[in-house]
Amino acid sequence: QKEVEQDPGPLSVPEGAIVSLNCTYSNSAFQYFMWYRQYSRKGPELLMYTYSSGNKEDGRFTAQVDKSSKYISLFIRDSQPSDSATYLCAMRSGGSQGNLIFGKGTKLSVKP
Amino acid sequence: NAGVTQTPKFQVLKTGQSMTLQCAQDMNHNSMYWYRQDPGMGLRLIYYSASEGTTDKGEVPNGYNVSRLNKREFSLRLESAAPSQTSVYFCASLRYWRDPSYNEQFFGPGTRLTVL
Repeated sequence: QKEVEQDPGPLSVPEGAIVSLNCTYSNSAFQYFMWYRQYSRKGPELLMYTYSSGNKEDGRFTAQVDKSSKYISLFIRDSQPSDSATYLCAMRSGGSQGNLIFGKGTKLSVKP
Repeated sequence: NAGVTQTPKFQVLKTGQSMTLQCAQDMNHNSMYWYRQDPGMGLRLIYYSASEGTTDKGEVPNGYNVSRLNKREFSLRLESAAPSQTSVYFCASLRYWRDPSYNEQFFGPGTRLTVL
């Protein structure tokens, strides 16, 4: 079993839809959870960062972490065509030097 | 501020040829990383350098070597390229926030490598 599992999609939704992206993980030592967004032929860029369990909201984006279930989610409200990208979850254990473990990424397409 | 830059953007090699991928960052970051990204495999860490003068293996180091030339530059070398090394290669550097437990990796635009 991979440490981090993420459904690769692709996921296609109409503009304005609520999008839910998810990852599961097996390593209970993970404490820091991130979502990166990657546009086509570009490098990933950090979108959301959460520590331990709970919710974090930033505009139309909400990140949720449920450590008891080893499950993280990213919700996108009022999705826009500009949200079309691949979304990668990433996580690491504690300490400042812990290396990131990435999910495979979910490709999202938001149709106008 | 150019951020993280990578050269070349594209490269085609024949099996057995060698090449070096260059990466530089102008953000004064200590830690730098090399990843490869393959369809269905996500991002996998090849090598990383926690600081100038140190390098360590990641998840998939076989067939690669790295050099941390100075604080700015971190190069990845393929000594004898194989078709299995066809991939998109990303370099990244790490920024620490005031709280060292919160840090962020900045990625370059990638190098698309094809080995025939």
